Amino acid sequence: AQSVTQLGSHVSVSEGALVLLRCNYSSSVPPYLFWYVQYPNQGLQLLLKYTSAATLVKGINGFEAEFKKSETSFHLTKPSAHMSDAAEYFCAVSPVSAGGTSYGKLTFGQGTILTVHP
Amino acid sequence: DAGVIQSPRHEVTEMGQEVTLRCKPISGHNSLFWYRQTMMRGLELLIYFNNNVPIDDSGMPEDRFSAKMPNASFSTLKIQPSEPRDSAVYFCASRRHRQGVLPHSGANVLTFGAGSRLTVL
Repeated sequence: AQSVTQLGSHVSVSEGALVLLRCNYSSSVPPYLFWYVQYPNQGLQLLLKYTSAATLVKGINGFEAEFKKSETSFHLTKPSAHMSDAAEYFCAVSPVSAGGTSYGKLTFGQGTILTVHP
Repeated sequence: DAGVIQSPRHEVTEMGQEVTLRCKPISGHNSLFWYRQTMMRGLELLIYFNNNVPIDDSGMPEDRFSAKMPNASFSTLKIQPSEPRDSAVYFCASRRHRQGVLPHSGANVLTFGAGSRLTVL
């Protein structure tokens, strides 16, 4: 079964600093991977997704993530943090069959709360 | 597009009462998912439907939980009787899969509702 592990339940950065949120996956075949963001009292919004095309994926709000098969990682980065980036971030994995199809269920990591200091 | 609509946004009830959570997926979406979010367990998939048919309900905690999708535009998640440990935020999400291909194909871009926060006293 696929799973994801997010390293660090809380990350704190200064405004303008690099944001790095770590995610490692466990899967027998490369899965589809996602990052979602959740602002307080809201649902989850898709930031970006990896679906076996380019390994460097660009998302909304200046975020990007790189799929590294050798490291089974899909870390989320942003060069310069903004106060509005403060939220909880979830990495998620979806299994992919040998035929390239994927299934409906996403499995989420435990989440990383990002705090941005002025 | 109004997005995925959930109601109620907040529900406070007493142990033993029946709770019904409602979800209206995005028009044209034919897959619907119910997730539960708690501090201890994070986000858990409870059940999902394709074309109104339940596909996987292995995440439903126990028989007190039931979900229905009578048509493409409406789904309910019912807890009867409710217990304090059911307190959580329940999210509904939907997606569209392409016609003419396997029901599960395509990258799974889910659109989430704002959630229903349930407190069972």
